[in-house]
Amino acid sequence: GAVVSQHPSWVICKSGTSVKIECRSLDFQATTMFWYRQFPKQSLMLMATSNEGSKATYEQGVEKDKFLINHASLTLSTLTVTSAHPEDSSFYICSASVPGLTGELFFGEGSRLTVL
Amino acid sequence: AQSVTQPDIHITVSEGASLELRCNYSYGATPYLFWYVQSPGQGLQLLLKYFSGDTLVQGIKGFEAEFKRSQSSFNLRKPSVHWSDAAEYFCAVSKEYGNKLVFGAGTILRVKS
Repeated sequence: GAVVSQHPSWVICKSGTSVKIECRSLDFQATTMFWYRQFPKQSLMLMATSNEGSKATYEQGVEKDKFLINHASLTLSTLTVTSAHPEDSSFYICSASVPGLTGELFFGEGSRLTVL
Repeated sequence: AQSVTQPDIHITVSEGASLELRCNYSYGATPYLFWYVQSPGQGLQLLLKYFSGDTLVQGIKGFEAEFKRSQSSFNLRKPSVHWSDAAEYFCAVSKEYGNKLVFGAGTILRVKS
């Protein structure tokens, strides 16, 4: 099946710093990727839809300037958490749909961010 | 807007017993329906999906789910649970091909020996 890889798997940073998380489609081209956030013991909440070559579409309540999403190529989308604070600590998961396959999204392994 | 309800937060079953996880959705048309499983600290693995056709769908690891339009439900079942099935299970719905998913709150399955 299609493989989506995230890096890093976990990251610890100091409050006020920025952190970049990468999401790569390893064996297919993903025109659209989705970024989700999962708080402990909670479900996944969609943050934004990332389209290659255009601006991301953010869900209501998600700060665009806080969570910068770039989808510069067909195999890479990045999420940058700017000026991170402890409340940004969470599990971030990306997913991508495979052109031609029937509606299935493939998920990355997730990236756990801890802000001290 | 679409929504997904998983009424059971936790379920505990004995190993070898049958399992049913409930999922109800809200959407005007027939949605695309999915069940995913997540082990602690891991990403999501697709168990099965329903788009159209036969309302009973088979998935991996011996799971199956039945789409019931009249009840707006898509319950997940397994006839005999194994200890390795202990994980969190998410039901999800999408209204378009390959589009974003809306997830339910998840059900944590515990398996006792």
